This record gives sequence, structure tokens and C-alpha cells, in this order.
Amino acid sequence: RKEVEQDPGPFNVPEGATVAFNCTYSNSASQSFFWYRQDCRKEPKLLMSVYSSGNEDGRFTAQLNRASQYISLLIRDSKLSDSATYLCVVNINTGNQFYFGTGTSLTVIP
Amino acid sequence: GAVVSQHPSWVICKSGTSVKIECRSLDFQATTMFWYRQFPKQSLMLMATSNEGSKATYEQGVEKDKFLINHASLTLSTLTVTSAHPEDSSFYICSADPPGQGAEKLFFGSGTQLSVL
Repeated sequence: RKEVEQDPGPFNVPEGATVAFNCTYSNSASQSFFWYRQDCRKEPKLLMSVYSSGNEDGRFTAQLNRASQYISLLIRDSKLSDSATYLCVVNINTGNQFYFGTGTSLTVIP
Repeated sequence: GAVVSQHPSWVICKSGTSVKIECRSLDFQATTMFWYRQFPKQSLMLMATSNEGSKATYEQGVEKDKFLINHASLTLSTLTVTSAHPEDSSFYICSADPPGQGAEKLFFGSGTQLSVL
């Protein structure tokens, strides 16, 4: 079983739509959780960390459910510039191991 | 924020040659750096963990004699793809975890697209 699993998509949504991605992780000892954004052939860039209480940054909302071991990312009012691959990343602090999901591809259509 | 510099961005080489990729932490000291490989439409796969002053730790299935890692200083790790073949063509990317960031975060280099002819 993979450490981190994501629906690869692709998600094709119209501008202004709300879209949600989910990610599940298998190791209950996971400590830190992140969403990264990656454009084609570019390095991943940190979008936001995910906290137990949930956190919001503008149009982006991240949630963590430790009991069910999943993380979500909600994007409201999608923009064309949101088109990218979104990577779920989990850190198991013991040994400082980072695990990546396969990424979810999002295309926002005019 | 922390900056990780990776060089070169693009490499095209003939089969059988060796290619060296550099990863530098510009404004912090990194005792540990990570090397990943990413094939088209796939996620990043950790190849190895580079440890300053000691041997790298390779993930299962990664040939350490083919992918040589050297982490001779606190700001530089290098990955050398030896005797590269077309199947080694991929996007290679490094990352580092700056100390004192609180929740551990990764900062990535800009990646190296390797094409082996």
C-alpha cells in the first residue's frame, strides 16, 4: 500500500467553480501535512501547510482528519492560473521522511 | 524564504556519458538534502537522502553505483548519473529542509531535465 494516495484526476472545471481534492495517508504516525503545487516541468512550490484545526488562505482551504487519515484541499472561485498539479505531501518526522502523492491534475477552463 | 539552487536546468547528453547535477542551499546550511526523480505525469519518487559528511541513503531499487551522490559541504550536494542511458531521461529535482522552520517543510531546487540520446 502506498504511503500517500491521491486521485490523479484530471479535474477539468470551468472558471469560478469550486473543486476539492482528497488525499489519504497510511501511516498514523504522520506528523506534518502539506499541499504543494507543481507546474509542468517546474519544481513543486508550497501552497499551504495543513493543520488539525483546518486552515484557509484566500480561496484555498485545507482540512486534516486524523481519525480517517485524510487531507483535503478546497479551491473556491477557480482561476485559469490555478491550472496545475497539486501534490499531497506527508512528513513522518521520525527519520524526516517525506512522502508524496501522485498528484492531482487540475485544468480550469475559460 | 529559504532558497535552493539547482544547476543545470537542462542537459542533453549522449548515451554512455556521465552527468553531474548540483544542488546548493543558498541561505542556510543543509545537513540533509533529498534527490527525486519524476517521470512524465508521475509523482516525485525519492531516490536518495544525501547526508553531509557521510554516505547517502538510497531507496530500494536505486543503484548507488549509477547515481553517485556527494555531499561534501553543508551547502552543496551533487548527483552524478554515470553512464547515462535513454531510460535515465527524466526530471531530477533536489530539496532541502531548512532547520528551524517549525513544521518540517521542503524547499525545492528548480529541477534538471535530463535527456539522454
